[in-house]
Amino acid sequence: EPEVTQTPSHQVTQMGQEVILRCVPISNHLYFYWYRQILGQKVEFLVSFYNNEISEKSEIFDDQFSVERPDGSNFTLKIRSTKLEDSAMYFCASRLTVATNTGELFFGEGSRLTVL
Amino acid sequence: KQEVTQIPAALSVPEGENLVLNCSFTDSAIYNLQWFRQDPGKGLTSLLLIQSSQREQTSGRLNASLDKSSGRSTLYIAASQPGDSATYLCASQGGSEKLVFGKGTKLTVNP
Repeated sequence: EPEVTQTPSHQVTQMGQEVILRCVPISNHLYFYWYRQILGQKVEFLVSFYNNEISEKSEIFDDQFSVERPDGSNFTLKIRSTKLEDSAMYFCASRLTVATNTGELFFGEGSRLTVL
Repeated sequence: KQEVTQIPAALSVPEGENLVLNCSFTDSAIYNLQWFRQDPGKGLTSLLLIQSSQREQTSGRLNASLDKSSGRSTLYIAASQPGDSATYLCASQGGSEKLVFGKGTKLTVNP
């Protein structure tokens, strides 16, 4: 069964460093997302991406964050100058459409980011 | 702003019991509602997507209902098994692409 894959599964970094989290969405999907979950808290929307551009972003997704689809298969989240509060599980997700009846969202296993 | 609430936060039941998980949302103008399962330290597995025009959806031992007017959805699990132990999340999609999640109900099914 097709799945969303994410790498790395866990990354530890020093505060102020840049990290790149990678995702390979399901191959025929058109809409891509990043969500995050701080330990013990709700899953929160960060950004959506369609047709090679950001279609929606949350207030969390400030200039520290960027997304890219460099080669038609990978979808990356870059976090510049990491802060302690960026420590979280980051989930990539994709779906075929945003229509109400086919808009099922599929998530990857997550990348756990620990900022020291 | 949509708020999604799940009650109870945790639930422990003996194996074989039928159970209901509750999800409520403040803005009834939703496109759909999706239920997920999350195992500890893992990703989210989609269980059921219920459209705004639907009343319920079924998959195996799972049945999700949706009442938009009252802002509620329930996930019914029949004949629970220890393997059903996980956190169950509901999420609504409203007038944008993003899903708004509840905090989840942590279910423990005891053998």
